[in-house]
Amino acid sequence: GNSVTQMEGPVTLSEEAFLTINCTYTATGYPSLFWYVQYPGEGLQLLLKATKADDKGSNKGFEATYRKETTSFHLEKGSVQVSDSAVYFCALSEGITGGGNKLTFGTGTQLKVEL
Amino acid sequence: GAVVSQHPSRVICKSGTSVKIECRSLDFQATTMFWYRQFPKQSLMLMATSNEGSKATYEQGVEKDKFLINHASLTLSTLTVTSAHPEDSSFYICSASQTGRVSYGYTFGSGTRLTVV
Repeated sequence: GNSVTQMEGPVTLSEEAFLTINCTYTATGYPSLFWYVQYPGEGLQLLLKATKADDKGSNKGFEATYRKETTSFHLEKGSVQVSDSAVYFCALSEGITGGGNKLTFGTGTQLKVEL
Repeated sequence: GAVVSQHPSRVICKSGTSVKIECRSLDFQATTMFWYRQFPKQSLMLMATSNEGSKATYEQGVEKDKFLINHASLTLSTLTVTSAHPEDSSFYICSASQTGRVSYGYTFGSGTRLTVV
């Protein structure tokens, strides 16, 4: 079956530091890949997505590239801010984005950014 | 953009009572709704998938008689926790998707914190 593995947290960084959160996946077929962010006490917000190999998703300074050869979708940001403190989830779905296929989530990585 | 409204955001109920959580898609038709449960500092566990007008498909280990899901219209799905007990206390999140509308993807509600006392 499908699975997503992401690095354990918490990850603690100083403001303006470079961020990488690793994510690798196992899937049959050609999944779509996502990063979601969850702020305390809230639901999930889509951060970025990629639907095919070599696609790069980007949003709010975050980027992730769909690497089929390494089955990875690592999240990066060049300069983090305190407001980026949250839990980040890597996820995949089979088939097209927005279809009725369920999402498979990683365990989440908590990011803490300090001044 | 697509918005999913989930209510209530917090609810406290007595053991043995039932609680209903609503999830509404405000500006699109949600052909599929997903219900998740999230334990503290853990990932989301998919409980069930429901398609409008049909019975929900429950994940292995989820009691369908305890967690009743109704998806009667394209904009509303409900999760009812029946005869709630303290171990049902958790954060419940819904997610909606619209088949064929690539741009909408999966839109999540803001979650419901259920506390059973």
